[in-house]
Amino acid sequence: DIQMTQSPSSLSKSVGDRVTITCRASQSLSYYLNWYQQKPGKAPKLLIYAASTLQSGVPSRFSGSGSATDFTLTISSLQPEDSAVYFCQQTYSTPPTFGQGTKLEIK
Amino acid sequence: EVQLVQSGTEVKKPGESLKISCKGSGYTFSDYWVAWVRQMPGKGLEWMGIVYPDDSDTRYSPSFQGQVTISADKSINTAYLQWSSLKASDTAIYYCAKTTVLNGRDAFDIWGQGTLVTVSS
Repeated sequence: DIQMTQSPSSLSKSVGDRVTITCRASQSLSYYLNWYQQKPGKAPKLLIYAASTLQSGVPSRFSGSGSATDFTLTISSLQPEDSAVYFCQQTYSTPPTFGQGTKLEIK
Repeated sequence: EVQLVQSGTEVKKPGESLKISCKGSGYTFSDYWVAWVRQMPGKGLEWMGIVYPDDSDTRYSPSFQGQVTISADKSINTAYLQWSSLKASDTAIYYCAKTTVLNGRDAFDIWGQGTLVTVSS
């Protein structure tokens, strides 16, 4: 299975801050990388697919970049409602695997 | 509205059997793979397997092969996840998710609300 490693595991930022979360794969994924947001007690929600394409309805402050083994999720100006756990997911090979998650808290 | 609605919370004893469900609406259910994803308490997401409702083609993660059975009934737009003999370690939230090809890549674009399964003696 492809191993996905996210960093950091958690972070605490202030409203308006720029936030960057990284995801590294154990082998090249091309662009087969998705990002999800999960709020407490809720199902995950698709934010970004194919590494950099924003899912319909997702605010433009979210963006994704990267290819091969290194990927980044960026929130350009943090909002209170962005407090959540963020997961990356590779769909390059079966089984699809997720990163361990990054917990984002608002100071 | 495209949605997946899952069956409710279950509390079971070790050794019991269980079948949980995931009903799709607002789209052609039989045309899209449905995945099952496990989330153990306070942990991350694990892909268990997928089913294609149109022909019931099923694939499993090696970690879950033989431990669960995934199926679907396209006549009632419903996918299932079942266990023949539950263990305490099966305690988790189970999500179903619709798999869509976006920009040539798979993504889980619609998720069910989750089913909490608690296995305890």
